[in-house]
Amino acid sequence: EAGVVQSPRYKIIEKKQPVAFWCNPISGHNTLYWYRQNLGQGPELLIRYENEEAVDDSQLPKDRFSAERLKGVDSTLKIQPAELGDSAVYLCASSLWDEETQYFGPGTRLLVL
Amino acid sequence: GNSVTQMEGPVTLSEEAFLTINCTYTATGYPSLFWYVQYPGEGLQLLLKATKADDKGSNKGFEATYRKETTSFHLEKGSVQVSDSAVYFCALRRKSNYQLIWGAGTKLIIKP
Repeated sequence: EAGVVQSPRYKIIEKKQPVAFWCNPISGHNTLYWYRQNLGQGPELLIRYENEEAVDDSQLPKDRFSAERLKGVDSTLKIQPAELGDSAVYLCASSLWDEETQYFGPGTRLLVL
Repeated sequence: GNSVTQMEGPVTLSEEAFLTINCTYTATGYPSLFWYVQYPGEGLQLLLKATKADDKGSNKGFEATYRKETTSFHLEKGSVQVSDSAVYFCALRRKSNYQLIWGAGTKLIIKP
């Protein structure tokens, strides 16, 4: 069974530029999560989807971050414009409806210069 | 509020040594507890979990027991290998919420 797929794996951009990350969850997983992980810290939840509905986006900085999950499968996380402090690893995870286990992708490492 | 506290790293051990990584938590009710591992350049992988008091999670020679009386979920392994070098994260999840609350991670370095 294929795991959670993310792309790109690495991204280097200049500040004020836009950037987008893509995630394909495990087939059949209805719940999708985006996390941000800063160096030396645990992941921080940005947004959680149940199918195509964002059910928890309370920690998403909505002035510059946006996300979508069209058709309840793939998801895209966007930052516009990026700031130096956005440098981090962006992780996508998915889980079944009632399944506690979250399965993580390899992450996208973002560096903003 | 809910929180997870892990011992600070890095933890450096020789191969075949006994490993303990401490994890304590603060939560209302009875959360589920998890250990995730992150190998260099890879994503987070679930290592083991326990969903109720006195449960023992185990995988790949690692074990952790859910201790309600001490609010702890310490990770142990009897004989570590160089391939166990990674960052280990302890996390909790309340029954009423999908959100995982994470510790800061503990980097483990195993020397041959």
